[in-house]
Amino acid sequence: GAVVSQHPSWVICKSGTSVKIECRSLDFQATTMFWYRQFPKQSLMLMATSNEGSKATYEQGVEKDKFLINHASLTLSTLTVTSAHPEDSSFYICSARDRQVGNQPQHFGDGTRLSIL
Amino acid sequence: GENVEQHPSTLSVQEGDSAVIKCTYSDSASNYFPWYKQELGKGPQLIIDIRSNVGEKKDQRIAVTLNKTAKHFSLHITETQPEDSAVYFCAASIVWGGADGLTFGKGTHLIIQP
Repeated sequence: GAVVSQHPSWVICKSGTSVKIECRSLDFQATTMFWYRQFPKQSLMLMATSNEGSKATYEQGVEKDKFLINHASLTLSTLTVTSAHPEDSSFYICSARDRQVGNQPQHFGDGTRLSIL
Repeated sequence: GENVEQHPSTLSVQEGDSAVIKCTYSDSASNYFPWYKQELGKGPQLIIDIRSNVGEKKDQRIAVTLNKTAKHFSLHITETQPEDSAVYFCAASIVWGGADGLTFGKGTHLIIQP
């Protein structure tokens, strides 16, 4: 149980394009999902908290107009990197918690590797 | 905000020996401490977690200890096996389960030598 799926797993695109990444909880409902970014050989940094039916909460230094988050249902959150540039190249990972089970940890997806040329 | 320090950055041990990874945290309000294992190209997988009202937790070959007074916690892996080779991250959160997001350490690359 508690499977989180991300799509796509890998994307390469030209500078200036926008890229959408999906995060789905496959066998549970998640009121809250989290988006992290991980640069090569570095740790995961929390970017934003995605709340179903309301606006996302962004961490300090993360541009909300650059990284658009939509959490339209209890099983899906999307992250759109707008007008992506090479410095946005990174490993983006989402996580989710089961809202119906108390004291549950975050379960992570397998990440999306984004490469901007 | 919370700051989590993790040591060592790389740890090489002989197969069958034990491995210990240590973390310290700065925010005394933190009370949830998970450990994740990340293999190359994959997302982190939870291997064990502990709440601040517990000093130690064990699950087969893996154990975690917490010293809340000193604000440090450690991961212990006994009888290491080749499949234990991976990057391990500690994390901390104020809210149980990380409902407010997790602050991660920088990771430890564990290498099990055959």
